[in-house]
Amino acid sequence: DPKIIQKPKYLVAVTGSEKILICEQYLGHNAMYWYRQSAKKPLEFMFSYSYQKLMDNQTASSRFQPQSSKKNHLDLQITALKPDDSATYFCASSQETDSNERLFFGHGTKLSVL
Amino acid sequence: GEQVEQRPPHLSVREGDSAVIICTYTDPNSYYFFWYKQEPGAGLQLLMKVFSSTEINEGQGFTVLLNKKDKQLSLNLTAAHPGDSAVYFCAVRVTQVVGQLTFGRGTRLQVYA
Repeated sequence: DPKIIQKPKYLVAVTGSEKILICEQYLGHNAMYWYRQSAKKPLEFMFSYSYQKLMDNQTASSRFQPQSSKKNHLDLQITALKPDDSATYFCASSQETDSNERLFFGHGTKLSVL
Repeated sequence: GEQVEQRPPHLSVREGDSAVIICTYTDPNSYYFFWYKQEPGAGLQLLMKVFSSTEINEGQGFTVLLNKKDKQLSLNLTAAHPGDSAVYFCAVRVTQVVGQLTFGRGTRLQVYA
């Protein structure tokens, strides 16, 4: 059973619209992250949350807003979508007491903006 | 900021041969270094975390070498088998934030019988 669930797996949106990417983890971790992988770039860090609080926001614009309604949820709201937002978005989690800093990744949501 | 170059992007080896993937990074203040493996249809999985320079770290069927002098990280899959076929990513942590990693572009490894 997947321990990190991302929904949907595929998503098609029109330019200017708004979408929410869902992420739930059932590993009991206290830290969650969003990463993005586009065709032109390697996997890029976007956000880090610890105990539902934003720890770091690396370069993501204000159109990208993480939302943590529960400890094991970290959704990603994207507004005013642009074709350049097309990418696969990966959610990840970790346990801060893990000395190996192991990140557990979901399978990703592939977003295509037309 | 930190940049990580990973090569080769594609690698095809015969079963039993070794496969070497190399990453070079730019920031000399990088703290920790990681190798991740992504099998088809699955999320990334951690293979190893290293932080000691010029130390060979051995895992199950692979070794990792970190050379901080040359800012190079390598993964050597010894005696590769078809189950090793996957995409391998190196990653570097530069900041104090756990989980904030800079990834290489990945190497798609194909091991054929």
